[in-house]
Amino acid sequence: GAVVSQHPSWVICKSGTSVKIECRSLDFQATTMFWYRQFPKQSLMLMATSNEGSKATYEQGVEKDKFLINHASLTLSTLTVTSAHPEDSSFYICSAGDVYEQYFGPGTRLTVT
Amino acid sequence: GQSLEQPSEVTAVEGAIVQINCTYQTSGFYGLSWYQQHDGGAPTFLSYNALDGLEETGRFSSFLSRSDSYGYLLLQELQMKDSASYFCAVRSRTGANNLFFGTGTRLTVIP
Repeated sequence: GAVVSQHPSWVICKSGTSVKIECRSLDFQATTMFWYRQFPKQSLMLMATSNEGSKATYEQGVEKDKFLINHASLTLSTLTVTSAHPEDSSFYICSAGDVYEQYFGPGTRLTVT
Repeated sequence: GQSLEQPSEVTAVEGAIVQINCTYQTSGFYGLSWYQQHDGGAPTFLSYNALDGLEETGRFSSFLSRSDSYGYLLLQELQMKDSASYFCAVRSRTGANNLFFGTGTRLTVIP
């Protein structure tokens, strides 16, 4: 199957700093990618749809100025958590694929101290 | 909005059969998927139902009834490695591939 990678796999940052997470489709092109957030032992919450060459579409309740998404190419989407706070600590996962199957990246565990 | 409900936990014996139910309420419906997630790992695709009926893939089967807004995942010949969280997810917008996930069911397989 198709492969989606994420980098970094884990990151620790200080409160108030910004963190960038990369999501790459390694063997296919993706005009759209999706960003999810998952708290321990909870479900995945869709944050936004990343659209290549245009603005991202954010789900209700997600602050677009805090979670900046850039989809600069058909294989790369980035999520930047700006001015991170401890409550932003979570597992961030991206996905790409088609109507039948989504391929998920391995996730990035963010810890804000 | 979307709402998908699943049992939070299920325990079953190795070699047995287990069914994980999912009921959903969505403003639109274009398919129900199932994903498996081991602790610390990424979700992996198991099955997809767009039409009513049963889809079988090896030891896993998935069923959908659109009129009842209900589906289930059936796991047969359970193995210890099947211990994981299982999520149903709906595609609720036409032309879109984003998924809205259920609450998740943690399956524990015991010897």
